[in-house]
Amino acid sequence: AQSVSQHNHHVILSEAASLELGCNYSYGGTVNLFWYVQYPGQHLQLLLKYFSGDPLVKGIKGFEAEFIKSKFSFNLRKPSVQWSDTAEYFCAGNNDMRFGAGTRLTVKP
Amino acid sequence: GAGVSQSPSNKVTEKGKDVELRCDPISGHTALYWYRQSLGQGLEFLIYFQGNSAPDKSGLPSDRFSAERTGGSVSTLTIQRTQQEDSAVYLCASSLAVQGGETQYFGPGTRLLVL
Repeated sequence: AQSVSQHNHHVILSEAASLELGCNYSYGGTVNLFWYVQYPGQHLQLLLKYFSGDPLVKGIKGFEAEFIKSKFSFNLRKPSVQWSDTAEYFCAGNNDMRFGAGTRLTVKP
Repeated sequence: GAGVSQSPSNKVTEKGKDVELRCDPISGHTALYWYRQSLGQGLEFLIYFQGNSAPDKSGLPSDRFSAERTGGSVSTLTIQRTQQEDSAVYLCASSLAVQGGETQYFGPGTRLLVL
């Protein structure tokens, strides 16, 4: 079965710290991967996506993710987080659009 | 409309009653998805539509849940004989097509509380 998993349930960082949120997928064939973000009180929205080409994908607000096929991973990174990055982050994959369980990020000012 | 809309935004109902949740996708989007988000849980996929057909109903939690889509546009999610464990935020999303690289655009959700 296709699945996407996120191992970090809650991450707490101080401002300016670096961020890496893990996402792993467990299927072969054509791989399309997404990161979505839900800021407090707002809709889910797309952060970035990978479907072909350069495995390093850049998204909005300074986020990036790297597709590493050998590791079945699509981790989300940001070099220096801000308080406004406090949100819930969801990894999702492929045609059936299953989502990971989500990672709650809290950034302390 | 500019985005995906859902109604009602909040619904409080008594255990055993039926509820109907509505989703208006972005005009021209052929794919429509329903998810459930419970407190402390992730996003649970329920069902998706390609046009008016739902090829994958495996995510519906029980036979009390059903969904339909008419005219390739509006969709309704119906929960019969609601239970307290049905309390959650029900999210709808749409995309241009059901293809791997398509972005989903989410609505604000319907917050359902079953007393």
